[in-house]
Amino acid sequence: DAMVIQNPRYQVTQFGKPVTLSCSQTLNHNVMYWYQQKSSQAPKLLFHYYDKDFNNEADTPDNFQSRRPNTSFCFLDIRSPGLGDAAMYLCATSRDRGGANYGYTFGSGTRLTVV
Amino acid sequence: QKEVEQDPGPLSVPEGAIVSLNCTYSNSAFQYFMWYRQYSRKGPELLMYTYSSGNKEDGRFTAQVDKSSKYISLFIRDSQPSDSATYLCAMRAYSGGGADGLTFGKGTHLIIQP
Repeated sequence: DAMVIQNPRYQVTQFGKPVTLSCSQTLNHNVMYWYQQKSSQAPKLLFHYYDKDFNNEADTPDNFQSRRPNTSFCFLDIRSPGLGDAAMYLCATSRDRGGANYGYTFGSGTRLTVV
Repeated sequence: QKEVEQDPGPLSVPEGAIVSLNCTYSNSAFQYFMWYRQYSRKGPELLMYTYSSGNKEDGRFTAQVDKSSKYISLFIRDSQPSDSATYLCAMRAYSGGGADGLTFGKGTHLIIQP
């Protein structure tokens, strides 16, 4: 059973047209992350939520925003997608620190194409 | 110098061989080390997790961490074609908040030839 679900799996958007990617989790984890992974590159952290606290990485462009309306859902908004934003977007969750396992659970990703 | 270096491969070995995958890193604050397996067009899946230096074994997989050399390894014994995937090392430092993201290597593309 999928525990971190990303929708859609594939998204095609037009240059400059706002797009939203969604992530939901059934693990009740406090922390949710968004990573960007371009072809043959390491996943790059964009931002994360620790409960309701939003933490933005210093080099994440302003074009990328996120919302977390409740524990289960987190959204990635790209306000004006450029061709360089075409990538796989990965959502991940983790438990609070204090558990023995610091591994993250990833969704299957959303592959974004910008045309 | 990147924080985490990982040879992207591809690494091609025959079925049944022992596979050795490696990462080096520069940040001495890293204490938690993980290996993820990523199949094509899928999200990464946690394989192994290790805290600080030492070895950890799980079935055909063994993870090793040498903090003095800033070097981590993943060994796969009796490799199978289903092991063909990209293997990403990942690590993080300790922090009080506990919510820091992982720093990943680029991944090594592994091909097991039947």
